Amino acid sequence: NAGVMQNPRHLVRRRGQEARLRCSPMKGHSHVYWYRQLPEEGLKFMVYLQKENIIDESGMPKERFSAEFPKEGPSILRIQQVVRGDSAAYFCASSPLPPDTQYFGPGTRLTVL
Amino acid sequence: KNEVEQSPQNLTAQEGEFITINCSYSVGISALHWLQQHPGGGIVSLFMLSSGKKKHGRLIATINIQEKHSSLHITASHPRDSAVYICAVRGLDKLIFGTGTRLQVFP
Repeated sequence: NAGVMQNPRHLVRRRGQEARLRCSPMKGHSHVYWYRQLPEEGLKFMVYLQKENIIDESGMPKERFSAEFPKEGPSILRIQQVVRGDSAAYFCASSPLPPDTQYFGPGTRLTVL
Repeated sequence: KNEVEQSPQNLTAQEGEFITINCSYSVGISALHWLQQHPGGGIVSLFMLSSGKKKHGRLIATINIQEKHSSLHITASHPRDSAVYICAVRGLDKLIFGTGTRLQVFP
């Protein structure tokens, strides 16, 4: 059973470009969480999704950020018109049920030039 | 004040020492997680607790719900235990994280 997969592992974008981060949850997991870790800071919750539904997006910046978890395929975190302050590690985690242990992916390190 | 506070922020130890990392929280929770983040950045879930105590190998985690406090203990510490240890509490669904404790174990 493969773990949570994220790609790309490293992503470099210039200011104003779009960044698409992908997360494939563990087999059998229908709950996906996205977290952001800014340089020298702790992890912060961004969004919680189930298949085709956003359950809690209270941690998402109001503009430029969006997330989806379609019926088929990976969850996508999309950042439009990236700025230098978006440079961070973005982690995805999945669980079979919300109160259960969350399994983390290896993260995508986004660098905005 | 952060909702989840960890202490100490940094910890150094000699191989073989007993390590304790503390976590206090100020919100109602359904569970508390201890995570380990390796120098390369990967995150591993160590424990999920809602009461009492759990043990896995040389790691022990305890939680006191009334006092809103949890501890992570490492017995017979080893240089490979060097990592950042993160406490996270769960309310309804999302995790709220502490800022982590950076542990370095020297041979």
